[in-house]
Amino acid sequence: SQKIEQNSEALNIQEGKTATLTCNYTNYSPAYLQWYRQDPGRGPVFLLLIRENEKEKRKERLKVTFDTTLKQSLFHITASQPADSATYLCACRVTGGGNKLTFGTGTQLKVEL
Amino acid sequence: IAGITQAPTSQILAAGRRMTLRCTQDMRHNAMYWYRQDLGLGLRLIHYSNTAGTTGKGEVPDGYSVSRANTDDFPLTLASAVPSQTSVYFCASSVGLETDTQYFGPGTRLTVL
Repeated sequence: SQKIEQNSEALNIQEGKTATLTCNYTNYSPAYLQWYRQDPGRGPVFLLLIRENEKEKRKERLKVTFDTTLKQSLFHITASQPADSATYLCACRVTGGGNKLTFGTGTQLKVEL
Repeated sequence: IAGITQAPTSQILAAGRRMTLRCTQDMRHNAMYWYRQDLGLGLRLIHYSNTAGTTGKGEVPDGYSVSRANTDDFPLTLASAVPSQTSVYFCASSVGLETDTQYFGPGTRLTVL
C-alpha cells in the first residue's frame, strides 16, 4: 500500500528565509498530492493540490513541486513569517479508495524572529 | 456558516463505557470521514461515508462503528472504550469528487482511563 513519509524532525528557520519541507511516497505515483496546515489543537486546513502532470503549483508565498522520478513533493514557503509556524501534512489519494486520503505524519515548522 | 462541528470538545471516559462522538457539517458535502491522530502516527482513517446511507472501513476500524442516516451527520461510536482508543478524533468532509480536498472539524480529545 502507498506510504507517505515526511521528516519527523522539526524544521527551524529564521524569519524571511525560505522554508522547504519534503514529502516522499513509496510506491506508485499518486494522481495528485495535497498539502495541509495544522495548528496546535486544531484540525488540518487544505493549502494546495498538485497533480501528477504538474511540475509546480504556486499560491501567494507557497510553492509545491512534484517530481515523479524522485517520488517526492517539495513544499516551499518564501519570505517566511512567525505566523507560518505550524505542522504541515502531505496527503495522497488511496488507490481504489474513492476519495480517501492517506496522510504523512507531518513536519513541524518553526519560524523564529 | 459553521463548516464542520464536533462534540464534545474533550471527554474523559472510563474503560468499558460506550461513547458517541458527534459530527455535523452544513456544507452539503457528500463524503465524510473519521480520523484519529496520535503522536508519531499521524492521521489514520477509521471509517468513511461516500454518501448518505453508505459507510466503509478505513485503516483502523476495529472497536468503532459509524452511521450516516442523512447528509449532515456522521456520528462515531465506541461500543466499549479501551485505553488504546485515547486519541484526538477528527471528522472531515468533502464534496465527493476525485480530486477532493477535505474540510476538517476542530477535533475531539478523548481520554480512556
